[in-house]
Amino acid sequence: GAGVSQSPRYKVAKRGQDVALRCDPISGHVSLFWYQQALGQGPEFLTYFQNEAQLDKSGLPSDRFFAERPEGSVSTLKIQRTQQEDSAVYLCASSLDGQGNTGELFFGEGSRLTVL
Amino acid sequence: QKEVEQDPGPLSVPEGAIVSLNCTYSNSAFQYFMWYRQYSRKGPELLMYTYSSGNKEDGRFTAQVDKSSKYISLFIRDSQPSDSATYLCAMSANRGSTLGRLYFGRGTQLTVWP
Repeated sequence: GAGVSQSPRYKVAKRGQDVALRCDPISGHVSLFWYQQALGQGPEFLTYFQNEAQLDKSGLPSDRFFAERPEGSVSTLKIQRTQQEDSAVYLCASSLDGQGNTGELFFGEGSRLTVL
Repeated sequence: QKEVEQDPGPLSVPEGAIVSLNCTYSNSAFQYFMWYRQYSRKGPELLMYTYSSGNKEDGRFTAQVDKSSKYISLFIRDSQPSDSATYLCAMSANRGSTLGRLYFGRGTQLTVWP
């Protein structure tokens, strides 16, 4: 498809397990963002890539969270030793260019993580 | 205090009503203002975008920005049941390569009943 694709759509993990969430952005989009959306809240910024370079990771809540985009297209968000407070929808978004764009992000449908 | 405040509602209106949604913010560096619509279990989709102060109209939707008051609004005319969704305001500052980093309100849940 032409949109941002995320997998898995739903993930249930036991506390302490590691999880990996995948994002396939729109082809040719330079910028890629990860956001975390808790129930009843707006999305909160986690991290930003311009091609393969992670230019901003100030929103990652702890060192258990790690993101990569090694070839400048597909990105993976990894959460180690999951905790219950990590339960949220993880949204990936891409945009054509990070320089001078209008902030128009195209979001995927999200990966809903539930930690038991 | 969050940088962007938005009343979560819920807001319930009859079909054909005019809907007014609002957000306030505290960071005077914000230059770009957006409204996203999010259907249940879907990602947000961009509805309206404005730069700095002023009004912008697109069909039944009008976005207003008042930077002096740090207040933005979205008006929906002739509301339809298909408008039922959560509406998120979002804004960003001109910060170079992270221009696209958005600060979101918590969203207002809107139901338009026939």
